[in-house]
Amino acid sequence: DIQMTQSPSSLSASVGDRVTVTCRASQSISSYLNWYQQKPGKAPKLLIYAASSLQSGVPSRFSGSGSGTDFTLTISSLQPEDFATYYCQQSYSAPQITFGQGTRLEIK
Amino acid sequence: EVQLVESGGGLIQPGGSLRLSCAASGFTVSSNYMSWVRQAPGKGLEWVSVIYSGDSTYYADSVKGRFTFSRDNSKNTLYLQMNSLRAEDTAVYYCASTLRRGSYQAFDYWGQGTLVTVSS
Repeated sequence: DIQMTQSPSSLSASVGDRVTVTCRASQSISSYLNWYQQKPGKAPKLLIYAASSLQSGVPSRFSGSGSGTDFTLTISSLQPEDFATYYCQQSYSAPQITFGQGTRLEIK
Repeated sequence: EVQLVESGGGLIQPGGSLRLSCAASGFTVSSNYMSWVRQAPGKGLEWVSVIYSGDSTYYADSVKGRFTFSRDNSKNTLYLQMNSLRAEDTAVYYCASTLRRGSYQAFDYWGQGTLVTVSS
């Protein structure tokens, strides 16, 4: 199985900050990497697919980059509604899909 | 508007069985890849199973042989039959549709989830 490791596990930041979350795959997954946002008690929401493609309706302050084993999700200027948990997910080995353990983004 | 509505969760004893449903609207489930993803309390996301448009099904090793994913095209509804339930199956279960762009896949629409609690 392909293991996905996110860092950091939690992060404190302020409104207006630029924030980066990292995801590393245990083997090369090309660009088969997606990012999701989840708020407490809600279903996850797709933000980025194929490493860098912005899902329809997602604000442009979210961006993704990377290929191979190392990927990043960047929020260019944090908004109050962005405080949530973020997950990466690989689809390289679909149907055996795996998620990262999550990064909790908290208000400083 | 695309909508997925799960039901069927509840409290069940270890070793018991439960069937979850996911009613879809706004699109046709038979034309899509559909998955179940679960989340144990306070934990991360875990992919459980997928059914492809051609009826092929695949399962995570943790549920293989115990869970069965099926589809009723006439009702546009998905089902997850869960047998031999264990405490570690306790989770919120989400159904999700798959966005496909060439060979790339991602879960684009999710239901609200249904909680399954396995406990004596």
